[in-house]
Amino acid sequence: GQSLEQPSEVTAVEGAIVQINCTYQTSGFYGLSWYQQHDGGAPTFLSYNALDGLEETGRFSSFLSRSDSYGYLLLQELQMKDSASYFCAPGLHSGAGSYQLTFGKGTKLSVIP
Amino acid sequence: EAQVTQNPRYLITVTGKKLTVTCSQNMNHEYMSWYRQDPGLGLRQIYYSMNVEVTDKGDVPEGYKVSRKEKRNFPLILESPSPNQTSLYFCASSFGFNGELFFGEGSRLTVL
Repeated sequence: GQSLEQPSEVTAVEGAIVQINCTYQTSGFYGLSWYQQHDGGAPTFLSYNALDGLEETGRFSSFLSRSDSYGYLLLQELQMKDSASYFCAPGLHSGAGSYQLTFGKGTKLSVIP
Repeated sequence: EAQVTQNPRYLITVTGKKLTVTCSQNMNHEYMSWYRQDPGLGLRQIYYSMNVEVTDKGDVPEGYKVSRKEKRNFPLILESPSPNQTSLYFCASSFGFNGELFFGEGSRLTVL
């Protein structure tokens, strides 16, 4: 079967670094995306890893290890506005020429002063 | 402005009264999808569409229908809504296979 695990809540101090882990068990895996969602808002795309390794976009970085079925999102120099829910989303091949993007339950990040 | 537009944004209806939530994107995206979001359950995919006239079931398709007659539109149809379909619904689209979805602002549906 398929499974997707990420911590439900994380608290970190403003200015610090936080890592949100994601482990998955899926068939047809092709890449891992990360999304941010503020309360009352829509999810917004942060990053995508198609290959193993680290992708950096400003204060955010994302890592993927296909062999370990594991990825993480790293947020540096935390700001209060980073308080939000973060979702890892494996992309799956689901048939001939077809694909899906499934989402975990999300990690609620609280940044405290 | 590139966007995904959903309507209505808020709706309160009663059990059994058919309703349609519209979704339109102006980015010429081939891929479109519907998700529902419920507390503690994250985002769950209802239906998705790879292109015009091609639709597939997601993880929670029961009680929903979709159609993709035009590239830009992907309406979600609830033929006979029930209270367990009370949820926040998101439409999303993407161009190709790159993991980047563009989401609409969401439609909050309450079924009494």
